Amino acid sequence: GQQLNQSPQSMFIQEGEDVSMNCTSSSIFNTWLWYKQDPGEGPVLLIALYKAGELTSNGRLTAQFGITRKDSFLNISASIPSDVGIYFCAGLANAGNNRKLIWGLGTSLAVNP
Amino acid sequence: DAGITQSPRHKVTETGTPVTLRCHQTENHRYMYWYRQDPGHGLRLIHYSYGVKDTDKGEVSDGYSVSRSKTEDFLLTLESATSSQTSVYFCAITQGVGETQYFGPGTRLLVL
Repeated sequence: GQQLNQSPQSMFIQEGEDVSMNCTSSSIFNTWLWYKQDPGEGPVLLIALYKAGELTSNGRLTAQFGITRKDSFLNISASIPSDVGIYFCAGLANAGNNRKLIWGLGTSLAVNP
Repeated sequence: DAGITQSPRHKVTETGTPVTLRCHQTENHRYMYWYRQDPGHGLRLIHYSYGVKDTDKGEVSDGYSVSRSKTEDFLLTLESATSSQTSVYFCAITQGVGETQYFGPGTRLLVL
């Protein structure tokens, strides 16, 4: 099935560093979503983007909906140990009854205190 | 909190046995989804529902069936479990603006 290209696959950083990850697609999307998953739990929504060019923040997290509608970026500033987890991007191309998200494979983030 | 519960949370079963997983929501959402999550594959959609008795297949629907006889419950059935169906299964619902999906806590299934 279709998947988004999410990179990097994994990151190991020092506490306090900034983090950037991105997702790209060959298709245009109308919605971009960023989730975080902690071990043993379901993904939790971090940020939702609905408009090309949109830049949205949630605390230390900032995400952008690419102007071409084929990509999105997530930045985490001043990382802390609780930022550890897997970050997923997801995109939606169609409306109506076909509300199926397309998912990236995730970016695994490790933070060294 | 999107009011989603999954049961059981953990299950061990044997190859060839039928298994049913339940997703329950308390907030009357129309859309419900079943995913499986495996290392290296991310989240893959099995089936989804857009209303009572209205369901459609996802990308990995073979070996699975679903039923939605009432709004609050979405059942996933493995007719004859195989070892390849060992996975973590997540239920999700669509809530609020746009297509934002909210996930349940997951069910860990081991097929021996």
